[in-house]
Amino acid sequence: DTAVSQTPKYLVTQMGNDKSIKCEQNLGHDTMYWYKQDSKKFLKIMFSYNNKELIINETVPNRFSPKSPDKAHLNLHINSLELGDSAVYFCASSQVYGGGETQYFGPGTRLLVL
Amino acid sequence: EDQVTQSPEALRLQEGESSSLNCSYTVSGLRGLFWYRQDPGKGPEFLFTLYSAGEEKEKERLKATLTKKESFLHITAPKPEDSATYLCAVQPGSSSNTGKLIFGQGTTLQVKP
Repeated sequence: DTAVSQTPKYLVTQMGNDKSIKCEQNLGHDTMYWYKQDSKKFLKIMFSYNNKELIINETVPNRFSPKSPDKAHLNLHINSLELGDSAVYFCASSQVYGGGETQYFGPGTRLLVL
Repeated sequence: EDQVTQSPEALRLQEGESSSLNCSYTVSGLRGLFWYRQDPGKGPEFLFTLYSAGEEKEKERLKATLTKKESFLHITAPKPEDSATYLCAVQPGSSSNTGKLIFGQGTTLQVKP
């Protein structure tokens, strides 16, 4: 009965590879987000989607491409991985957006680029 | 520029020793202020949402308060299981059409038995 789930939990890959991270929420929320947490544990938003439509693209390199097949899923595809992409990526969801709604986070995907 | 600063960065307490964590913010209009708890290797776990100055919320040993410039997370008689990183985040009014949260860097709390 996990609310927000992500796969995989760990991802180790070589520079230059392409990888995807999947996120699913069963809360019935309309809005989903991707956040990046760096080595200093600082969380920063990357993207948000509402009902499958992109709302925020927070100056993220275009090597990162989110895709939302339906409002319960938000995947993150990363092309040509770089060392600096190593971080923990969190998916989150909220009922709607912009009115102070609580965002609920997934367990994270730990990406290590070698 | 919208900004969130948490202090201290790290805090060590003895079990039963009450203390407070601070979250100072500068935002253009506040839609909400959020407190999360994050355990090592896990995602942030929601604790509280505060919307207006003077508001207070409690949960077990935790109490969150809000003023126009800062929020406090008071921990009363902490136990070792309260050890975690506590994150503060704000949703500025400028994010009303995006839902974006701006996070502080967190306070890592260690409670020793």
